[in-house]
Amino acid sequence: GAVVSQHPSRVICKSGTSVKIECRSLDFQATTMFWYRQFPKQSLMLMATSNEGSKATYEQGVEKDKFLINHASLTLSTLTVTSAHPEDSSFYICSASKLAGGYNEQFFGPGTRLTVL
Amino acid sequence: EDKVVQSPLSLVVHEGDTVTLNCSYEVTNFRSLLWYKQEKKAPTFLFMLTSSGIEKKSGRLSSILDKKELSSILNITATQTGDSAIYLCAVNFGNEKLTFGTGTRLTIIP
Repeated sequence: GAVVSQHPSRVICKSGTSVKIECRSLDFQATTMFWYRQFPKQSLMLMATSNEGSKATYEQGVEKDKFLINHASLTLSTLTVTSAHPEDSSFYICSASKLAGGYNEQFFGPGTRLTVL
Repeated sequence: EDKVVQSPLSLVVHEGDTVTLNCSYEVTNFRSLLWYKQEKKAPTFLFMLTSSGIEKKSGRLSSILDKKELSSILNITATQTGDSAIYLCAVNFGNEKLTFGTGTRLTIIP
């Protein structure tokens, strides 16, 4: 199997606080994990690519000082939204890459809904 | 810039109807095209297409890729209310990253 978990599934926080979201590959090792953001009625937008043991690669327009990514092990990546503001409210989804059938397939976590008051 | 466009954006049909969803892409280095179904949470995988003209099928769902036209279609026959979801198309441009399309919101009326 290829199961990816995220924690928490839902978080509500006050403006100005920081929130950490964990993404774990439960039954496989993932050298690469991806973080996406999805606003209501919009598609998934890739925020960053996270490689174990190295710095994350951020997509254009994503502030790396605001969205801190740490990929400390082959099964865990974390996204920290620092000094969150209401405009950061969104659905954050991670995926983990696993070699399957000769291709690197992405397996998605269940997502974390962040609401910043 | 790599781009993925889906149509229609929204579709409402009656149970039992057949639907066709479209995905087109502009690409620098195409590797594969994937279809996902998203209900309330994260997307669930449906198909991955790499070769042109070969239909992939799973129950009432099928999909085919046309590399000449830079497009793919997803067909759902004999639709059921459980098919109501957002259907996402994503393209892998050879660097492991997926670029997602706008999505098609499908609603099946009983």
